[in-house]
Amino acid sequence: GNSVTQMEGPVTLSEEAFLTINCTYTATGYPSLFWYVQYPGEGLQLLLKATKADDKGSNKGFEATYRKETTSFHLEKGSVQVSDSAVYFCALREYGNKLVFGAGTILRVKS
Amino acid sequence: GAGVSQSPRYKVAKRGQDVALRCDPISGHVSLFWYQQALGQGPEFLTYFQNEAQLDKSGLPSDRFFAERPEGSVSTLKIQRTQQEDSAVYLCASSFAGTSPNEQFFGPGTRLTVL
Repeated sequence: GNSVTQMEGPVTLSEEAFLTINCTYTATGYPSLFWYVQYPGEGLQLLLKATKADDKGSNKGFEATYRKETTSFHLEKGSVQVSDSAVYFCALREYGNKLVFGAGTILRVKS
Repeated sequence: GAGVSQSPRYKVAKRGQDVALRCDPISGHVSLFWYQQALGQGPEFLTYFQNEAQLDKSGLPSDRFFAERPEGSVSTLKIQRTQQEDSAVYLCASSFAGTSPNEQFFGPGTRLTVL
């Protein structure tokens, strides 16, 4: 079946550091890809998405590019802030609309 | 309402008890999903409704799990004879249309602890 693998955390960075969280997927066909974020004490929120190969999703300074050739959707941000501390989930959407999530990556940003 | 709401937010049950978890989706949202999130893991799909029709229940882990959405709005996830392995956060999500992919909006979840 379809699956998503993302890098294990926690990832600990200093403020203004560059962030990369790796995500790769296994799927039949060409699923839509997503990054969701879960801030402490809050529910899952959509951060960004890409629906086809070479699409770049972006939001709040975060970016991810749908790479069909490497089946990847890595999350990047040029300069992280303390407020970015959260759990980040990579996900794909299967036919029928259900989401398949990775295990999540904890990001901790120190001031 | 402004978003997806779930109740109760926390539920403690003794092993063997039945529990019922409620989800109120965003008004007008056709699709409703239930996910189970174990500690330290990503959410896993349980079941999916389009209006009142349960179109996919392939993720329900056993016949102790049952979900319904009788009027196409509020949904209830029922777990019978709870076991310790049922301890998890149960997430509900809704989206506007069923025939084309749309963003799923998640509720805050119900944390179930089975003692």
